[in-house]
Amino acid sequence: LAKTTQPISMDSYEGQEVNITCSHNNIATNDYITWYQQFPSQGPRFIIQGYKTKVTNEVASLFIPADRKSSTLSLPRVSLSDTAVYYCLVGDWTGGFKTIFGAGTRLFVKA
Amino acid sequence: GAVVSQHPSWVICKSGTSVKIECRSLDFQATTMFWYRQFPKQSLMLMATSNEGSKATYEQGVEKDKFLINHASLTLSTLTVTSAHPEDSSFYICSASLRSDRGLGGYTFGSGTRLTVV
Repeated sequence: LAKTTQPISMDSYEGQEVNITCSHNNIATNDYITWYQQFPSQGPRFIIQGYKTKVTNEVASLFIPADRKSSTLSLPRVSLSDTAVYYCLVGDWTGGFKTIFGAGTRLFVKA
Repeated sequence: GAVVSQHPSWVICKSGTSVKIECRSLDFQATTMFWYRQFPKQSLMLMATSNEGSKATYEQGVEKDKFLINHASLTLSTLTVTSAHPEDSSFYICSASLRSDRGLGGYTFGSGTRLTVV
C-alpha cells in the first residue's frame, strides 16, 4: 500500500474553508484515494473517495492533480463539529483487504 | 446504509481476567472483518483480519494467543483479550466492508470499545 503523508495538525475558524493535503508519491495505477473522519472515542467514518480530477459530495470535495501524487480534501465553511482527525488512505480493494491508517491530520476548529 | 455494531462500548476489568468484544454487521454479511487498536492521540493500528470460517490473520507483532479472534458467522466476529494487563488498556475498533468495488471507501467501522484494565 502506498505511504501517505499529511500535516499533523491544523487550526481553523468557524466558517472558513479548510484544505488538507495528503502526499502519496508511490500511488499505484489502480489505487484510489479515500478520506475518513474520526471523532474522539468513535470509529472512523467515510467522507469521500476519488481516483482523479475532482469529486464532490454533500460533505466535502476532493481534488486530485493529474500526476495523482497528492490530493487535497476541502471542507467548505467548517463548524466546531468538524473538529476531528482526518485520515487519507490510498489503495485498491482488489489489491488486498488491509486498511492501513497513517498518522492523520488533527483539525481543530475555533469559534 | 451498512451498520457495524460493537459491544460493549466500554469495559473495565481486573488484571489477569479475559474480556470479549463483539462486532456485528447488522444489515449485511461480512466474510471479512478487521480489528484495530488505538492508543490516545495515535492512529489506528491494524491488529488482525478476521475471516469467517477460518483462522484470523494477525499483523506482525500482535500476539495471537493473547488476542483471540473468532469469526463464527457472516455477521459476527469477536475479539477476546486474554489475561489482560494494564498495558492492554486501549480503544479497540472493528470494521467490515460491504462493497467489493474499487478503493477503500467501503469500510464501516464500529463505535469502538474502551478497555481499561486495572
